[in-house]
Parts: sequence; C-alpha cells; structure tokens
Amino acid sequence: EPEVTQTPSHQVTQMGQEVILRCVPISNHLYFYWYRQILGQKVEFLVSFYNNEISEKSEIFDDQFSVERPDGSNFTLKIRSTKLEDSAMYFCASGSGGARGKTGELFFGEGSRLTVL
Amino acid sequence: GENVEQHPSTLSVQEGDSAVIKCTYSDSASNYFPWYKQELGKRPQLIIDIRSNVGEKKDQRIAVTLNKTAKHFSLHITETQPEDSAVYFCALPTNTAGNKLTFGGGTRVLVKP
Repeated sequence: EPEVTQTPSHQVTQMGQEVILRCVPISNHLYFYWYRQILGQKVEFLVSFYNNEISEKSEIFDDQFSVERPDGSNFTLKIRSTKLEDSAMYFCASGSGGARGKTGELFFGEGSRLTVL
Repeated sequence: GENVEQHPSTLSVQEGDSAVIKCTYSDSASNYFPWYKQELGKRPQLIIDIRSNVGEKKDQRIAVTLNKTAKHFSLHITETQPEDSAVYFCALPTNTAGNKLTFGGGTRVLVKP
C-alpha cells in the first residue's frame, strides 16, 4: 500500500538555525499539505500546495516558512530561523481530492519531530 | 474562520461499553465529515467519513452520524476494546476549495479492561 514518507523522523536544532523537512507524497496525489502538532495538542493546518503553488496557508505559516516541490516526488518544508516555539511534530499529508464536495481522505506521513533548543 | 468544537476532550469507558464523541461546526456549506484516529506517537489515520447526502454510515463497530440542521456530527464506537484507546479527531474542509481540513481539538479515549 502506498505511503507518505517523511525524513528525518527526528531533528534537533539550535534556535536560529535553518531546518528542512522532507516528504515524498503518494505518487498519484495532487494535493500536498503540511500540518503541525505541538505535543498533546491538536493537528494544526500550516499550508496546502497544488499545481506547484501554495493554495492556502494559515497564520502560523509566516515568512519564516516556505515550501517547495523541487522535483516530481519531493515536497519540502523549510523553516529559515527556528524558534523555540517551532518545536512540534510536523506531518506531511497528501490527497487526491480538493474541490469542494470532492474532498477525500488525507494520507499522513509518520511525522518529523522537530526539537529546537 | 470555521470553528470546529469537539467534545469531550477526554473519555474513559469500560471495555465493552460504547463511546460517543461529538463535533459541532458553523459553516453550513460543509459537506464532508471525516474522523481520524491517532495512536500514541503515530500519524493520524482516517477511520470513517461521511458526506452530507447521508445521515449515518457504519463500518463494523464504528459509525458516524450527521445532523446538518443542528450542524453536528458524531463518532460512535460500540463494544469498545483496549485497542480503541487513542486520540480521535473530527475534521472538516473549511475553505472554498475544500482542500484545507481543519481538525477539532481531539478526544483522548481510554478503554479500561
């Protein structure tokens, strides 16, 4: 069964450093997402990506964040200058739907745990 | 933005009993209502979903009911087992394109043997 894969599974970084989290979505999916989950809290939407551009982003997704699909398979989340409050689990997700009325299942990766010291 | 309220935040049940979790929403245009299960340290995974043209959907021991008039949908787990212990999240699309899922606050379910 196809899966969304994420690397690294855990990254520890110093405050102010840049971090890149990588994801390989399911190959025939067209919609890609990053979500964040602070320990013990709910899953929060960061950004959605479709047709090689951001289709929606949340208030959390400020200028420190960027996403990229550098080739046909990878989807990355970059945090330029990490802050302590960026410590969380970051989930990549992909899906085949998107139009209202056709939204379907999101398939999540296992997550990348980011610890900012 | 769309508000997705989920209750209760924690739920402790005896094995074999039923568990019910409820989510309320405000956007009457919402038409897709999924439930995700997240085991400790794992990814969220879809367990059941329903679209607005039906009022109930069942899959073995789990069911989802939808009341569009009252704007709430509920997850029902019958004959609970220890492996049902997890955090459950409701979600719904909250933008015009329907490609942004907003999650509820989660319900931590503990099934006591």
